[in-house]
Amino acid sequence: NAGVTQTPKFQVLKTGQSMTLQCAQDMNHEYMSWYRQDPGMGLRLIHYSVGAGITDQGEVPNGYNVSRSTTEDFPLRLLSAAPSQTSVYFCASSWKMNTEAFFGQGTRLTVV
Amino acid sequence: AQSVTQPDIHITVSEGASLELRCNYSYGATPYLFWYVQSPGQGLQLLLKYFSGDTLVQGIKGFEAEFKRSQSSFNLRKPSVHWSDAAEYFCAVGGADSWGKFQFGAGTQVVVTP
Repeated sequence: NAGVTQTPKFQVLKTGQSMTLQCAQDMNHEYMSWYRQDPGMGLRLIHYSVGAGITDQGEVPNGYNVSRSTTEDFPLRLLSAAPSQTSVYFCASSWKMNTEAFFGQGTRLTVV
Repeated sequence: AQSVTQPDIHITVSEGASLELRCNYSYGATPYLFWYVQSPGQGLQLLLKYFSGDTLVQGIKGFEAEFKRSQSSFNLRKPSVHWSDAAEYFCAVGGADSWGKFQFGAGTQVVVTP
């Protein structure tokens, strides 16, 4: 049972490049979400999904897109990377509303 | 709007001493409360959670937390700290109407000295 798997673990982008952070879970969880972690700010919600085909914005959605075509996958797309998007990104999933979240190992992204 | 405050950014504790990490929350309805731990370079691991019932909650690794509704607090405690407890700790709040979203505090970094 792999849990929540994020790829890649590390990435360096140039300003203006686009990329997709992958997230997959094998627990059949309905709820999935993306957070970014910055020093002194904890984790902030970027986007979340309550099921396949349903997504919504979190606290800091600008510059990011998501889609949820299957229960298992919830990719996060950076449309045009900016240095302000340098961060550690975590994907999380939960079985149902407000059970605990299970987290991936994170993706450390640097935008230069 | 929901929010979480962890007043202590950094705590240093001696191995074997007790540890208490503070968490205050703001939430309009009945909160669901969580404590997570993050070791360097790792993801977040759930220590314990409170949904309802007994306000003293036991978790993994010898941690416990007490929910105090009157003080809007959910403080984490451990009677005797081990060197392996050095990590960053996050308090989080959700609720029945939060649709799988959680609000996290800024975190408390715990350093354990010999």
